[in-house]
Amino acid sequence: GENVEQHPSTLSVQEGDSAVIKCTYSDSASNYFPWYKQELGKRPQLIIDIRSNVGEKKDQRIAVTLNKTAKHFSLHITETQPEDSAVYFCAASKRGGGADGLTFGKGTHLIIQP
Amino acid sequence: DVKVTQSSRYLVKRTGEKVFLECVQDMDHENMFWYRQDPGLGLRLIYFSYDVKMKEKGDIPEGYSVSREKKERFSLILESASTNQTSMYLCASSYGTGGHEQYFGPGTRLTVT
Repeated sequence: GENVEQHPSTLSVQEGDSAVIKCTYSDSASNYFPWYKQELGKRPQLIIDIRSNVGEKKDQRIAVTLNKTAKHFSLHITETQPEDSAVYFCAASKRGGGADGLTFGKGTHLIIQP
Repeated sequence: DVKVTQSSRYLVKRTGEKVFLECVQDMDHENMFWYRQDPGLGLRLIYFSYDVKMKEKGDIPEGYSVSREKKERFSLILESASTNQTSMYLCASSYGTGGHEQYFGPGTRLTVT
């Protein structure tokens, strides 16, 4: 089955700096890679996703890059703000198509220092 | 606005009891999912369903079963609860195929004593 590794487990950055979270996946058939943000005590919410036919996607301060050859993808947050503090999860579609469940990484606790 | 609701926020059960967790979505989504979330382990897929009466095993189905008799409702069943099933259980739903946003419910924190 699919295996998703996520690093680092904790990331502390100064407000205004950039943050990068990296994930690798094992199943070359996976073709959908979402990122979820979970604030303390709340449900996970999708912040950005990318499909395997795209190398990069941006949405304001957030960007995701995908390297299919190396089987890794990364989340980039620029100009970090206090409200970016949360746990971030990367994920990959289990079978790369259809109505799949997701295989998640173990999460990164992002701390924005004022 | 998508709404995914779960029957309980907190639940305490005894070892050996049969436990039902219910999830309802109001967006006519085809797909529904059950995950459990444990500190340091992320979210792990238990079961999912892409149609009424259809179900597929996820990564950790042992000790669980599911039921989907209606499109909007997906139930997770713990046949005989054990202490290692103490966890946060999250339901999610999504539409279509090919990978789409999953909308999560608020979660049920289950404690088995």
